[in-house]
This record gives sequence, structure tokens and C-alpha cells, in this order.
Amino acid sequence: DAKTTQPTSMDCAEGRAANLPCNHSTISGNEYVYWYRQIHSQGPQYIIHGLKNNETNEMASLIITEDRKSSTLILPHATLRDTAVYYCIVRDDKIIFGKGTRLHILP
Amino acid sequence: GAVVSQHPSRVICKSGTSVKIECRSLDFQATTMFWYRQFPKKSLMLMATSNEGSKATYEQGVEKDKFLINHASLTLSTLTVTSAHPEDSSFYICSAREEYSNQPQHFGDGTRLSIL
Repeated sequence: DAKTTQPTSMDCAEGRAANLPCNHSTISGNEYVYWYRQIHSQGPQYIIHGLKNNETNEMASLIITEDRKSSTLILPHATLRDTAVYYCIVRDDKIIFGKGTRLHILP
Repeated sequence: GAVVSQHPSRVICKSGTSVKIECRSLDFQATTMFWYRQFPKKSLMLMATSNEGSKATYEQGVEKDKFLINHASLTLSTLTVTSAHPEDSSFYICSAREEYSNQPQHFGDGTRLSIL
């Protein structure tokens, strides 16, 4: 079973920041948090991952709470091409996908 | 960045045919690869974990004789759907992980299999 809980869907206006939450209250000390997204009919795309410090790359920022029980993926300036299903993953030795968050970017 | 190539991207074939799907890690060595299956509007379902040089580990409910997995090298894993039937029609996706455990898994673009 997936170890994370995410909202089923979210809307975000184009050009605004999209903030996608994830709860992972049972995360253990050495488990990383990974974010992927899947655009329709494509394979999942890796976005970012982190252990306990906040991370930023060219795609997104990842904010992890101090107790590591939740995190937020931030897409700073959402575009229509960011419409996808976003998966928050706490990985053991293999990735088990939950239902993810379906993000709609509104023009 | 790390790239996983999956081939073919689409297959249409008759019932009873066996179909082979290839998954290659192009710029890294993958001791472990994974095979997923996805039905329309559903999430990815892990089918099996493929380990280089050893037998694959199948998830509960996945028929190992139906879905043959071979991981003969550090850059190639294959999934063969044997004697495919219409209910095997699905989107099959592979992924590969770099050697160090905290590195992300990278996914192929998937193979859409349609059995007539």
C-alpha cells in the first residue's frame, strides 16, 4: 500500500504557484520523499526528492516539515503543460503508487 | 539526466501472440528494474521487480508464467506477455534505478499493448 495521502484533485491558475500537499505520517528516518508526475499517456517523470532539508531544482521546490510527516511540492509559475497527475512517494525498496493528485492548470 | 528507453511504444497483435517489451537504461547501470501496468484512469500497479542475473520477484496476483521477465544485463530488462489475450491489453511501463539506493527511479515512456 502507498504510504502517502494526497488530495484527489486541485486547480491552479496559469502563472500562479501550485502548492501540492502530501501527508506521510508513517515515514521512517531513512526514507526519502520523491515526487513524480504523469502527463497523459506518458511514463512518470521524476521531479524532485528530499530527506529532511528543503530542496529546489529547475522544476520545483520541495518543502518538508521538521517532523517529516508531510511535505509540499511547489511549482512556482504553473503553465498549462504542468497539467498532470502528481505522485508523492515514500520509497522503500520499490515504488508503490497511490492515486496521486490530478492538477488542473486553468488558463 | 538519466534516461530509460522502452520499446516498442505501441503494439497491436492478435490473440494468442506473445509480445516482448524491452526496457533499457541508456546512461547508467541498473541492477534493479521494475515493471508496472496501468489501466485507463487508474494508477500504476507494480507487477514485478527485475534483478540483474537472478529471477524476478513478482507481486501478489501476477502470473509469472504469463509475464516472463528477463534481466540479462545491467542495462536491459525484457517483459514477455505470453499467449496474450484481450484482457492483457494495457499500458506497460518499466523503470530503472541507479546503483545507490537514494537515487530516483526513472521511467520509460510506456508500451501500449492492444490485443485483438
